[in-house]
Amino acid sequence: TQLLEQSPQFLSIQEGENLTVYCNSSSVFSSLQWYRQEPGEGPVLLVTVVTGGEVKKLKRLTFQFGDARKDSSLHITAAQPGDTGLYLCVPYNQGGKLIFGQGTELSVKP
Amino acid sequence: DADVTQTPRNRITKTGKRIMLECSQTKGHDRMYWYRQDPGLGLQLIYYSFDVKDINKGEISDGYSVSRQAQAKFSLSLESAIPNQTALYFCATSFGGGGGDTQYFGPGTRLTVL
Repeated sequence: TQLLEQSPQFLSIQEGENLTVYCNSSSVFSSLQWYRQEPGEGPVLLVTVVTGGEVKKLKRLTFQFGDARKDSSLHITAAQPGDTGLYLCVPYNQGGKLIFGQGTELSVKP
Repeated sequence: DADVTQTPRNRITKTGKRIMLECSQTKGHDRMYWYRQDPGLGLQLIYYSFDVKDINKGEISDGYSVSRQAQAKFSLSLESAIPNQTALYFCATSFGGGGGDTQYFGPGTRLTVL
């Protein structure tokens, strides 16, 4: 069983602040995905990271996959109220099914 | 039109009733999934199907059953609903290409069991 820890579980910040969400495991993953779920909607894929050490940027969001492919982080620069939502890191294994954890609930106040 | 649709969007029912939640997709994906979401527990996989003839149990299948009527349709049934099945239910689909298979979610069904 792959044990995945995401932190923090809750985060409430003011507009304009920076933040980082962490995703850690003792297992090695072939790839890892980050989803965002806005209130009242289903999760939507933000990015997939595949290569150890990979960094991907999506506007103000920066995603990094650890060199050993056991951890990942999401950094948001100058957070906006529109960034509010549940952020989920989801490891992909060869079995083809995704295991979603609790995620990080982010609230960005104007 | 939405690629993944769920009906109903909201349902209130009583303990012991049989409930069916339906999911349809126009993405042409072979893989379909049912999840439930409870506050603070993230998304838990109930059942998944990699093609029409393939049905697999997920983490929390007890009390649920599914039917894959066609590639595009995957329904979830609660044979005898109980209050702790009150939750938000999501259907999802994926292509199945491997190496990071993107899942596309429906809008969810909010189920309340009284």
